[in-house]
Amino acid sequence: SYVLTQPPSVSVAPGKTARITCGGNNIGSKSVHWYQQRPGQAPVLVIYYETDRPSGIPERLSGSNSDNTATLTIRRVEAGDEADYYCQVWDSTTNHWVFGGGTKLTVL
Amino acid sequence: EVQLLESGGGLVQPGGSLRLSCAASGFTFSSFAMSWVRQAPGKGLEWVSVISGSGETIYYANSVKGRLTISRDNSKDTLSLQMSSLRVEDTAIYYCAKNFQRSPTTPTDFWGQGTLVTVS
Repeated sequence: SYVLTQPPSVSVAPGKTARITCGGNNIGSKSVHWYQQRPGQAPVLVIYYETDRPSGIPERLSGSNSDNTATLTIRRVEAGDEADYYCQVWDSTTNHWVFGGGTKLTVL
Repeated sequence: EVQLLESGGGLVQPGGSLRLSCAASGFTFSSFAMSWVRQAPGKGLEWVSVISGSGETIYYANSVKGRLTISRDNSKDTLSLQMSSLRVEDTAIYYCAKNFQRSPTTPTDFWGQGTLVTVS
């Protein structure tokens, strides 16, 4: 089955740039989606199809995807960005959705 | 305004059954695929199942196939998850989520607040 690998944690100072990676075999050939989950809340879609943002998601959040790594980039990090972030892809070989293990973003 | 309200969670013994429901409003229910995703306490997200807008296409995670059954009633704007032969490892918050389009291969763009299932 297809596996997505994320770092368990990323720390960044306010105002700096955070990069959260999502590794997978030839993930560059797949569509990647990203979710934000704040403590005690339901997940929220923040990036879909690699680079698109739903309405209400700030432009500070962006995505990229190439070769074996997809990346969620958060610029000018704010305290409110502190959350768990999950990447997701559709595995057409098994007809399964696959989530990464999640990355906890800590704002120092 | 899109709303998804899950219900039916609770405490059940191993081997028991439970039926979760998700009442949808604020969108044309039959035009969108719907998903169930769960999250064990302190753990990450785990996809459970997805059903197309028409109900004709259904996919399950290997961990639940044969024990959990997804269904939808487009006349009542309701998504369901029939859970049987429950195991301790099925303990989780179960989220109902709306997919982006009718196809089950589109991402989920709105999630309910979840309902807790405890198997013990």
